[in-house]
Amino acid sequence: GAGVSQSPSNKVTEKGKDVELRCDPISGHTALYWYRQSLGQGLEFLIYFQGNSAPDKSGLPSDRFSAERTGGSVSTLTIQRTQQEDSAVYLCASSPEVFPGETQYFGPGTRLLVL
Amino acid sequence: ELKVEQNPLFLSMQEGKNYTIYCNYSTTSDRLYWYRQDPGKSLESLFVLLSNGAVKQEGRLMASLDTKARLSTLHITAAVHDLSATYFCAVDISAGGTSYGKLTFGQGTILTVHP
Repeated sequence: GAGVSQSPSNKVTEKGKDVELRCDPISGHTALYWYRQSLGQGLEFLIYFQGNSAPDKSGLPSDRFSAERTGGSVSTLTIQRTQQEDSAVYLCASSPEVFPGETQYFGPGTRLLVL
Repeated sequence: ELKVEQNPLFLSMQEGKNYTIYCNYSTTSDRLYWYRQDPGKSLESLFVLLSNGAVKQEGRLMASLDTKARLSTLHITAAVHDLSATYFCAVDISAGGTSYGKLTFGQGTILTVHP
């Protein structure tokens, strides 16, 4: 079946602009995760969703970052007033449940470059 | 704060040789994941280890978990060029006996296998 998809695959934006990144999880997966991968910080957890609710937002770097999920499916990560340090690859993952030992299946990522 | 450290960070091997990548973590956990990432690609799940003493093998790769030592190993047997990639371990901290899948990743080990 189809895996996790993300769009756009690449995004170049100017400092101060807002960007929206989209994630389509594997059909039927109730859990959805956002991570960020950058050279300086490695792979960092940002936020996760169980259904449409986000019990843990502790990884969001600042209040410029927000995420939502609708219909228990698609999720959007929004970065407002982008800064150069936001440049990274944003990875989305999904798993069938939030359950011990569930494998997270990762999407191809969105490469964000803030000029 | 959970810390996950991999050793070595860079590994250059000859084909046919054996080697081990180590993953140490600082907080009690019995859920340890190994992922592979090819250049420019996303993360591919290799192993999920869910208990002390767990051992899993797939082809030339074998992973083990010692929760008392807070250590996981990824052993490579008779390396081949196709194994060249970056390998990440990730730890999931349990909370009250349930897991919410907030993975903390190691820095990654860049493996290069030479003829």
